[in-house]
Amino acid sequence: AQSVTQPDIHITVSEGASLELRCNYSYGATPYLFWYVQSPGQGLQLLLKYFSGDTLVQGIKGFEAEFKRSQSSFNLRKPSVHWSDAAEYFCAVGNSGGYQKVTFGIGTKLQVIP
Amino acid sequence: DAGVIQSPRHEVTEMGQEVTLRCKPISGHDYLFWYRQTMMRGLELLIYFNNNVPIDDSGMPEDRFSAKMPNASFSTLKIQPSEPRDSAVYFCASSFTWTSGGFYEQYFGPGTRLTVT
Repeated sequence: AQSVTQPDIHITVSEGASLELRCNYSYGATPYLFWYVQSPGQGLQLLLKYFSGDTLVQGIKGFEAEFKRSQSSFNLRKPSVHWSDAAEYFCAVGNSGGYQKVTFGIGTKLQVIP
Repeated sequence: DAGVIQSPRHEVTEMGQEVTLRCKPISGHDYLFWYRQTMMRGLELLIYFNNNVPIDDSGMPEDRFSAKMPNASFSTLKIQPSEPRDSAVYFCASSFTWTSGGFYEQYFGPGTRLTVT
């Protein structure tokens, strides 16, 4: 069965600093990988996705993520964090065959301090 | 498109009452998902449909929960009778299948915040 691990439940960074949120997945074949963001009181919004091809994917709001098959990782990065980036971030893995099913990680809550 | 629409946005009810949550997926999407989000358990998949047919309901916590999708543009999640531990935010999401067989990302609704007293 597919699974996702986000080892950091809560991260605090200073505004303007770089950010990396970790995500490790478990899936037997090539996965579909996603990062979503959830602002307080809102639904989840897709930041970026990886299906195939270039392992470095660009998303909205200046985010990027790199798929590393050897490490089963799909870490999310941003070179300079803005106060508006404070939110909860979810990594997710989808199966690449049969009926769709996406498994979400527990989420990482990002706090941005001035 | 208006996106995934959920109603009501907030629901407060007393223990033992029936609760019905509603979802309208994005037009043309053939998958519909119901999730529950709590602080303790995070985001849990309850059930999902493909072309209006329930595919996997293994996440439904117990028989008090039921979900239907009578047509491609409407789904309900019902809790009867409701209990305080059902208090959570319930999300509906939809997606579609690529012609090549892969699938696209899920689009989430704004959620329904359920409080059972």
